[in-house]
Amino acid sequence: AQKITQTQPGMFVQEKEAVTLDCTYDTSDPSYGLFWYKQPSSGEMIFLIYQGSYDQQNATEGRYSLNFQKARKSANLVISASQLGDSAMYFCAMRERGAGFQKLVFGTGTRLLVSP
Amino acid sequence: DVKVTQSSRYLVKRTGEKVFLECVQDMDHENMFWYRQDPGLGLRLIYFSYDVKMKEKGDIPEGYSVSREKKERFSLILESASTNQTSMYLCASSLLARDNEQFFGPGTRLTVL
Repeated sequence: AQKITQTQPGMFVQEKEAVTLDCTYDTSDPSYGLFWYKQPSSGEMIFLIYQGSYDQQNATEGRYSLNFQKARKSANLVISASQLGDSAMYFCAMRERGAGFQKLVFGTGTRLLVSP
Repeated sequence: DVKVTQSSRYLVKRTGEKVFLECVQDMDHENMFWYRQDPGLGLRLIYFSYDVKMKEKGDIPEGYSVSREKKERFSLILESASTNQTSMYLCASSLLARDNEQFFGPGTRLTVL
């Protein structure tokens, strides 16, 4: 079974609009962390936001927020006020405490295109 | 700022050649990782290392080996390159503390002919 599922291969949004990128995960480990990374066309993976499984509040970092619904095992990324520079691949990833040594499991990614 | 550098952005090799991909980080991170990225498959972990001379297999170690002789450097070795190893290779590093994110290098796009 896939540990991280990103069902949207591509998303389109107009500049200044908000967009939600979906991520669901599967784990039996009670302690885990969820990450979102951005990969522009240059190739480098850029860390965006982190949510711990015991965190009571949804994580936020500037225009990025993580809509964490633990019971549904979803960790959707919300980008508010999209900008042209947000066009990139976005990856959701999970680290399970039991896996040790910070092993991350990645989803297959969602390509976001922001149009003027 | 954390800096993770990789020796080449693009590399073209022939089948059967021995290939070395080098990764260097400048932030004294304990953990270092090698991933390969293929369309539709996301990133898959090949090997990681949590200390000098220590290594652990990831999800797809077959056909690869690694070397970590110094804390800042982690090398990925393809002993005999094959066409199915054509891919984007990404190196990452992180602190040993579990809640820290991984910092990635720019990637090496390897083509094996």
